[in-house]
Amino acid sequence: GNSVTQMEGPVTLSEEAFLTINCTYTATGYPSLFWYVQYPGEGLQLLLKATKADDKGSNKGFEATYRKETTSFHLEKGSVQVSDSAVYFCALSGSSRGNKLVFGAGTILRVKS
Amino acid sequence: NAGVTQTPKFQVLKTGQSMTLQCAQDMNHNSMYWYRQDPGMGLRLIYYSASEGTTDKGEVPNGYNVSRLNKREFSLRLESAAPSQTSVYFCASSELAGTGALNTEAFFGQGTRLTVV
Repeated sequence: GNSVTQMEGPVTLSEEAFLTINCTYTATGYPSLFWYVQYPGEGLQLLLKATKADDKGSNKGFEATYRKETTSFHLEKGSVQVSDSAVYFCALSGSSRGNKLVFGAGTILRVKS
Repeated sequence: NAGVTQTPKFQVLKTGQSMTLQCAQDMNHNSMYWYRQDPGMGLRLIYYSASEGTTDKGEVPNGYNVSRLNKREFSLRLESAAPSQTSVYFCASSELAGTGALNTEAFFGQGTRLTVV
């Protein structure tokens, strides 16, 4: 079945550092890929998405590129801020009818000032 | 825009009590989900409904039942609450995958924090 594996955390960075959170997936066909963010005490919200190979999703300075050859969708940001401290989830939506969403385990990001 | 609305936001139950968590979405989505989130465990799928009239078990369905009342509403019932069900519960909805829709991302409610004592 479909699955998502993302790097374990927590990840602790200083403000303005470069961020990478790795995400790889297993799926048949051509899934859509997502990154969600969860701020403390809140629900999950979509951060960015990509629906086909080589697409780059971007939002709020975060980017991720859909790499079918490496089955990856790594999240990057050039300069993190304290306000980016949150839990980040990688997810996929399968291309077969009725496929449910599949989430990774989540990565806690802590940014220190 | 309301999006996905969950009620209640907080609840304390005694062991053995029952309750129903309500979820409604106003985006005309076909698919709806119930997840639980425990510290260090990420999101775990309890039940989902790919479309109105269908429900399927997820990873952790034991101790729960669901009802897809109509296209908008998807409720989660705990028949006899146990301390192990203390968690934060999230409802989500999305377009049905595999139908050509590109926007299959999920939209989440704000969560229900449930404590069973």
